[in-house]
Amino acid sequence: DQQVKQNSPSLSVQEGRISILNCDYTNSMFDYFLWYKKYPAEGPTFLISISSIKDKNEDGRFTVFLNKSAKHLSLHIVPSQPGDSAVYFCAAGSSNTGKLIFGQGTTLQVKP
Amino acid sequence: GAVVSQHPSWVICKSGTSVKIECRSLDFQATTMFWYRQFPKQSLMLMATSNEGSKATYEQGVEKDKFLINHASLTLSTLTVTSAHPEDSSFYICSAWPLAAASYNEQFFGPGTRLTVL
Repeated sequence: DQQVKQNSPSLSVQEGRISILNCDYTNSMFDYFLWYKKYPAEGPTFLISISSIKDKNEDGRFTVFLNKSAKHLSLHIVPSQPGDSAVYFCAAGSSNTGKLIFGQGTTLQVKP
Repeated sequence: GAVVSQHPSWVICKSGTSVKIECRSLDFQATTMFWYRQFPKQSLMLMATSNEGSKATYEQGVEKDKFLINHASLTLSTLTVTSAHPEDSSFYICSAWPLAAASYNEQFFGPGTRLTVL
């Protein structure tokens, strides 16, 4: 039972354009959501998060949108840069336990 | 600050042997650490929650007798893969949740350990 899903395994965008990565979840008990960037053979690096009581959080080039009714969140990166090329994981968690459930990841390639 | 280290970074062992992986929070204390496993081109799967001074809690489908977790201090958790087999070959990642974490954001991941069982 995949509670957190990233249905697009890969995404390719041109440098300077917007990258939109999507994530769906099924468990209504999750109360916060995070996005991580990861390179092979390394641990995840935290990018941005959002609480379930909000619908948008912005940090520099990164914006996360949450649609609770649709159980959907997305990460917008604008403008995209070649250095953004990596695997992006969304994760959902419960603030009282700290446990995170990760999606399958989306490989983003930003072409110069 | 907020650095989590893992040791070793990679290990190769023979089938049937046991391997210990250490996860250390270098500049903070963590009552809770988590262990994840990632197979190639797959997601990070939560294996267990490691609580300082108490028994670890394991996710469904994870064999607690095979993956022994010890969290003996506020800065160290260890994962021992007992009687390792080739199917245990994976990338193991830990994360640490600081004792004084102000929010859920403050969970830090280690660099991971690549285990290859021959």
